[in-house]
Amino acid sequence: AQSVTQPDIHITVSEGASLELRCNYSYGATPYLFWYVQSPGQGLQLLLKYFSGDTLVQGIKGFEAEFKRSQSSFNLRKPSVHWSDAAEYFCAVGFSGGYQKVTFGIGTKLQVIP
Amino acid sequence: DTGVSQDPRHKITKRGQNVTFRCDPISEHNRLYWYRQTLGQGPEFLTYFQNEAQLEKSRLLSDRFSAERPKGSFSTLEIQRTEQGDSAMYLCASSSRVNRQGGTDTQYFGPGTRLTVL
Repeated sequence: AQSVTQPDIHITVSEGASLELRCNYSYGATPYLFWYVQSPGQGLQLLLKYFSGDTLVQGIKGFEAEFKRSQSSFNLRKPSVHWSDAAEYFCAVGFSGGYQKVTFGIGTKLQVIP
Repeated sequence: DTGVSQDPRHKITKRGQNVTFRCDPISEHNRLYWYRQTLGQGPEFLTYFQNEAQLEKSRLLSDRFSAERPKGSFSTLEIQRTEQGDSAMYLCASSSRVNRQGGTDTQYFGPGTRLTVL
């Protein structure tokens, strides 16, 4: 069964600093990978996704993520964080075999300080 | 494209009561999903419909839970004889099959229904 690990439960960064959120997955075949963001009390918004092709994926709000097969990782990055980026971020993995179930990580809560 | 909508946004009920939630997917999407998210956790998959057919069900979906999508448009999730452990955010998502490689679709989420069971 596939699984997702987000090792950092909470991260605090200063506004304007760079950000990297870690995600490791476990899945035997080529994964379908997603990053979502959730503001308090709200649903999830898709930031970016990776299915195949270029391993560096650009998303919305200035985010990018890099797929590294050798490390089973899909880390999310942003060069300069804004106060409005404070939220919870979820990494998720889907199947390549046609099943539609998506498995989410536990999430990383991002705090941005002035 | 008005996005996925869910109703109600909040529901408070007493233990033992039945509750029903509604989800309206993005209009052209033929796939619809239900997830449950408890505090401090990521969403957990409950079930998935393609048109009106329920194709996948999680073991989390006990006999007290039932989901329907009778005309392949909106869906309802009913919980019978609610328990305090059912308190959670119930999220609905939808997708349109555009992935020709046959893998997981990109799922678009609604705002969720927060259930509190007293």
